Amino acid sequence: GAVVSQHPSWVICKSGTSVKIECRSLDFQATTMFWYRQFPKQSLMLMATSNEGSKATYEQGVEKDKFLINHASLTLSTLTVTSAHPEDSSFYICSARNSGANVLTFGAGSRLTVL
Amino acid sequence: GIQVEQSPPDLILQEGANSTLRCNFSDSVNNLQWFHQNPWGQLINLFYIPSGTKQNGRLSATTVATERYSLLYISSSQTTDSGVYFCAVSGYGGSQGNLIFGKGTKLSVKP
Repeated sequence: GAVVSQHPSWVICKSGTSVKIECRSLDFQATTMFWYRQFPKQSLMLMATSNEGSKATYEQGVEKDKFLINHASLTLSTLTVTSAHPEDSSFYICSARNSGANVLTFGAGSRLTVL
Repeated sequence: GIQVEQSPPDLILQEGANSTLRCNFSDSVNNLQWFHQNPWGQLINLFYIPSGTKQNGRLSATTVATERYSLLYISSSQTTDSGVYFCAVSGYGGSQGNLIFGKGTKLSVKP
């Protein structure tokens, strides 16, 4: 079945630094990937839609200059949290849909802690 | 946008008991998925079920699209069933594949 890999699974960084999270579709090509954020004991909220070869589409209230998304190939999307602050600490999860299918497959998530 | 409501928010069961989780949604959907989020955060896809009924072992799900709800049944619950169960949908008007999540049902199965 479809597999989505995320890396790193957890990361701790200092305030003001930038962190990059990778999302890869391992056995299928994904023209579209989705980035979600989940705060403790809350549900998942869509941050942005990553489109291969074009700009990402951000949800209302999500700063595009802070959360940089690059989808340079059909199997890789990256999310860079720039100038991270403690309030950016969260669980970030990506998902991808195999072309022709409606089922979304999720990565294992990346837990970011900003000190 | 589509609203997704799940009930109950919390559920405590004794091992071996059965349970029903409910998901109501406010508009027509072209995708509905049930997920189990384990303690490490991994979302496990349980069912893709925009309509109809499916079964997989001790789990089954039914979606009545015309009445805008879905049910997840867990029979003979085990401690490993503990975690948060999410219902997520996407509507015809939104970006295909963009899922909107409910707030989840936190299930605790006691030995």
